[in-house]
Amino acid sequence: GAVVSQHPSWVICKSGTSVKIECRSLDFQATTMFWYRQFPKQSLMLMATSNEGSKATYEQGVEKDKFLINHASLTLSTLTVTSAHPEDSSFYICSAPGTGGYENTEAFFGQGTRLTVV
Amino acid sequence: LAKTTQPISMDSYEGQEVNITCSHNNIATNDYITWYQQFPSQGPRFIIQGYKTKVTNEVASLFIPADRKSSTLSLPRVSLSDTAVYYCLVNNAGNMLTFGGGTRLMVKP
Repeated sequence: GAVVSQHPSWVICKSGTSVKIECRSLDFQATTMFWYRQFPKQSLMLMATSNEGSKATYEQGVEKDKFLINHASLTLSTLTVTSAHPEDSSFYICSAPGTGGYENTEAFFGQGTRLTVV
Repeated sequence: LAKTTQPISMDSYEGQEVNITCSHNNIATNDYITWYQQFPSQGPRFIIQGYKTKVTNEVASLFIPADRKSSTLSLPRVSLSDTAVYYCLVNNAGNMLTFGGGTRLMVKP
């Protein structure tokens, strides 16, 4: 199946710094990429939807100036956590929709990035 | 988007069959039912999807009644490595996935 590669798998940063997370579709083109956040023992929560060549759509309550999303090419979407604070520590996951047409609803997920802000 | 309801957790023993039922009363005509598995600190992994009746693949079976308001994921002869969180979702192709709480399956020796 299709592969979505997410890097880094984990990162520790100091409070106030910015961190960039990359998500690449390795063998297919992803015009759309979804970004999720997952806190310990909780489910995945959609943060935003990135679309190649246009502005991202953010879910209610997600600060677009803090979580910068760029989808400059059909194989790369990035999420930058700006001025990170300890409360931003979480597991971030990207996902691309399936490519098999209407009946194929399998989505492809990255490996996730564990962000720890100290 | 259709909301799903699953048991919060389940316990089983190695070698047993595990059935996890998901309720999705508001499923739309165009929605498919998809199940994902997630291990700690990993992204979810696709298990199986279906629209109606029964679907089987190499790892699981999915049973969907005629009214499609529920579905049951069946894992035959589970092993310790099947300990994970299992999510049931309903969605159209290309739409973002809305995750419910999932079912935390613990397989014991």
